[in-house]
Amino acid sequence: QSALTQPRSVSGSPGQSVTISCTGTSSDVGGYNYVSWYQQHPGKAPKLMIYDVNKRPSGVPDRFSGSKSGNTASLTISGLQAEDEADYYCCSYAGSYIRVFGTGTKVTVL
Amino acid sequence: QVQLVQSGAEVKRPGASVKVSCKASGYTFTSYYIHWVRQAPGQGLEWMGVINPSGDGTTFAQNFQGRVTMTKDTSTSTVYMELSSLRSEDTAVYYCARVRSGSYYFDYWGQGTLVTVSS
Repeated sequence: QSALTQPRSVSGSPGQSVTISCTGTSSDVGGYNYVSWYQQHPGKAPKLMIYDVNKRPSGVPDRFSGSKSGNTASLTISGLQAEDEADYYCCSYAGSYIRVFGTGTKVTVL
Repeated sequence: QVQLVQSGAEVKRPGASVKVSCKASGYTFTSYYIHWVRQAPGQGLEWMGVINPSGDGTTFAQNFQGRVTMTKDTSTSTVYMELSSLRSEDTAVYYCARVRSGSYYFDYWGQGTLVTVSS
């Protein structure tokens, strides 16, 4: 299983929107509606932000949203805030209990 | 409240093995799969494998097959991950994370365990 492809970094000013892509194959992202997104601040464990492509867990701000088209999933952060500066990882189910993570994207708030 | 508490940092020599524990509390242990994910310094997340706490089933990533073992102790709600034939590239923070049976996302994570492999 190869890692899903994410941009190395994205940036935006406070209040702007940024979108992170996550590209896989028909064996993972394209084959299942089971993409999740995780936020990770330095030295901390990852935190679930989006699951099942576009569902938000309780407590996650609604400025975080997810979508998918074909083999590419996306995470959009609208109304960017300083505390959103972190690393973000996508993760897809790939069949038979297997998971595959994305390469990770650093979000910088300018 | 839900907690996954991992064992402390380890320093190992190349060729040795390491066993990391993950003690679950605050929920029904057998209702959630436990996955292991690692992160090398400055690198991304890498999925290692999963164990079914209600049975004996395990599934491992191809990169780790033959070198990783995952076991459980239902009496103490603890899962163990053992990695053998350690090399310097195995230096990483190792996380356990839970997935509810029938779902596909990690909703709670352990605090991480740093394993350093150095001669």
